[in-house]
Amino acid sequence: GENVEQHPSTLSVQEGDSAVIKCTYSDSASNYFPWYKQELGKRPQLIIDIRSNVGEKKDQRIAVTLNKTAKHFSLHITETQPEDSAVYFCAATDPRQGAQKLVFGQGTRLTINP
Amino acid sequence: KAGVTQTPRYLIKTRGQQVTLSCSPISGHRSVSWYQQTPGQGLQFLFEYFSETQRNKGNFPGRFSGRQFSNSRSEMNVSTLELGDSALYLCASSVTADTQYFGPGTRLTVL
Repeated sequence: GENVEQHPSTLSVQEGDSAVIKCTYSDSASNYFPWYKQELGKRPQLIIDIRSNVGEKKDQRIAVTLNKTAKHFSLHITETQPEDSAVYFCAATDPRQGAQKLVFGQGTRLTINP
Repeated sequence: KAGVTQTPRYLIKTRGQQVTLSCSPISGHRSVSWYQQTPGQGLQFLFEYFSETQRNKGNFPGRFSGRQFSNSRSEMNVSTLELGDSALYLCASSVTADTQYFGPGTRLTVL
């Protein structure tokens, strides 16, 4: 089955700098890749997603890139702010199977230092 | 629209007992998936229901079961609780083939 590896496990950046989190997946059939942000004690919230027919997607300070050949995708956060501090999870799934099975990476704890 | 809701939010049980958790999806969403979140194993898929049918199942023992009702609300049940079942149980609902929205979770503690 699908396996998702996420790096780094912790990331600390200065406010205003950029942060990059990377994930690799194993199943070439996977075609949907969401990113979730989870603040302490709260639910995972979808922040951005990308499908395999797209190489890059941007939403304000957040962008995701996908390299299908290498089977990896990355989250980019620019101009980081203290409220970006949270745990970020990448995931992969193959919706063509008709099921909603998300396989998650282990998470990255992002800390923004003021 | 109201978001995904889960009840109860917190539960404390003892080993050997059983527990039932409930999830109400976003209105119009027919798919409900369940996940277990622990510090050691991260987020792991339990099962997914669509139109009252289980469509997919993760690698959990048979003590973990679920069901979905005609109004799309879902329940999961864990029988013969073990200490290792202590976790945050999250459900997620979706209407399309992929985008899932999570509920706040039920924090289960097994003593």
